Amino acid sequence: GAVVSQHPSWVICKSGTSVKIECRSLDFQATTMFWYRQFPKQSLMLMATSNEGSKATYEQGVEKDKFLINHASLTLSTLTVTSAHPEDSSFYICSATIGTGHNQPQHFGDGTRLSIL
Amino acid sequence: DQQVKQNSPSLSVQEGRISILNCDYTNSMFDYFLWYKKYPAEGPTFLISISSIKDKNEDGRFTVFLNKSAKHLSLHIVPSQPGDSAVYFCAANDMRFGAGTRLTVKP
Repeated sequence: GAVVSQHPSWVICKSGTSVKIECRSLDFQATTMFWYRQFPKQSLMLMATSNEGSKATYEQGVEKDKFLINHASLTLSTLTVTSAHPEDSSFYICSATIGTGHNQPQHFGDGTRLSIL
Repeated sequence: DQQVKQNSPSLSVQEGRISILNCDYTNSMFDYFLWYKKYPAEGPTFLISISSIKDKNEDGRFTVFLNKSAKHLSLHIVPSQPGDSAVYFCAANDMRFGAGTRLTVKP
């Protein structure tokens, strides 16, 4: 149980285009989902917390207009990288917790490798 | 401000020996800690956790120790197996991760 699916797993696109990444909880409802970014050989950096039916909470230094997050249902959150540039190339990972319990482990998707040419 | 720190980027141990991965934190308000394991090109998977009301939690070959006075936790893997080779992240309940430690278990 507690499977999180992330799509696409790998995307290459031209500079200036927008890319949408989907994160789905397949067998549970996720009130809250999290978006992370990982640079090579570095840690997971929390970008934002996505709450179903409300605006996402962004971490300091993360551009809201650059990384649009939508959490329209209890099983789907999307991250759109707008007007992507080569410096946006990274590994993006989403996660979700079951319910709204305070101390719950996160269940992660397998990530999306984004390459901007 | 890195509130969860893993100061050892890598660790290499022999199969069958104990692996000890360390993590330090600065925020005394953290009350729950988790360890995750990550293989390349995959998302992390939850391994084990510990509440601040405990000082030890054990699950099979994995044991996590918490020293609240030192703001330090450690993950012990014994015996270590080659399949344990991965990057291990510690995290606190604010969803922020340490930098990770790459564990290599040599046959």
